[in-house]
Amino acid sequence: EVQLVESGGGLIQPGGSLKLSCAASGFSVSSNYMSWVRQAPGKGLEWVSVIYSTGNTYYADSVKGRFTISRDNSKNTIFLQMNSLRAEDTAVYYCARDSAADGFDRWGQGTLVTVSS
Amino acid sequence: QLVLTQSPSASASLGASVKLTCTLSSGHSSYAIAWHQQQPEKGPRYLMKLNRDGSHTKGDGIPDRFSGSNSGAERYLTISSLQSEDEADYYCQTWGTGIRVFGGGTKLTVL
Repeated sequence: EVQLVESGGGLIQPGGSLKLSCAASGFSVSSNYMSWVRQAPGKGLEWVSVIYSTGNTYYADSVKGRFTISRDNSKNTIFLQMNSLRAEDTAVYYCARDSAADGFDRWGQGTLVTVSS
Repeated sequence: QLVLTQSPSASASLGASVKLTCTLSSGHSSYAIAWHQQQPEKGPRYLMKLNRDGSHTKGDGIPDRFSGSNSGAERYLTISSLQSEDEADYYCQTWGTGIRVFGGGTKLTVL
């Protein structure tokens, strides 16, 4: 069964750092594109970052230079390192399997990141 | 610039049908999209991919009541025989090299 489980969210002060994890099962993250998507309270979905099967990475302008996506093939897990966090980064963060041909065809349950002093 | 436009809200009666629209920005009318459903207090759920020719491929377990179609730059999601659990936010999504885009979402109310 395909499953994605996010972890690592929490309360962090502005300017701080946090690393999110997304553990996959039922498929290999190294053979797929994987994305992070976030949703601020009461708002719509916003794409954050993607890592291709080649290892190439891309970011939304709102997080470029502050966030880094990576993966550990041996753990079948992807990560999102978030630095210089701002109040506007407060959101539920979802990981998704990003089928290059079909869109985000699997989603995790999300992990909440709250940036506040 | 790749942009998807959705109406903020829609409503229809229990048992009726509703057609939601997602419009691709100028110059991008050939793009495929995906539709996602987000029920209240839940994570998103993949409904289907909708190709430029109107053909669509649904996700696992998606009922036949959900279908897709298109006309030019517009992509549609039709839900027939509306049920109470169809009350949700619906997002369209598309993609290009190094970019992923969501529409603003349509909040569907089942009356």
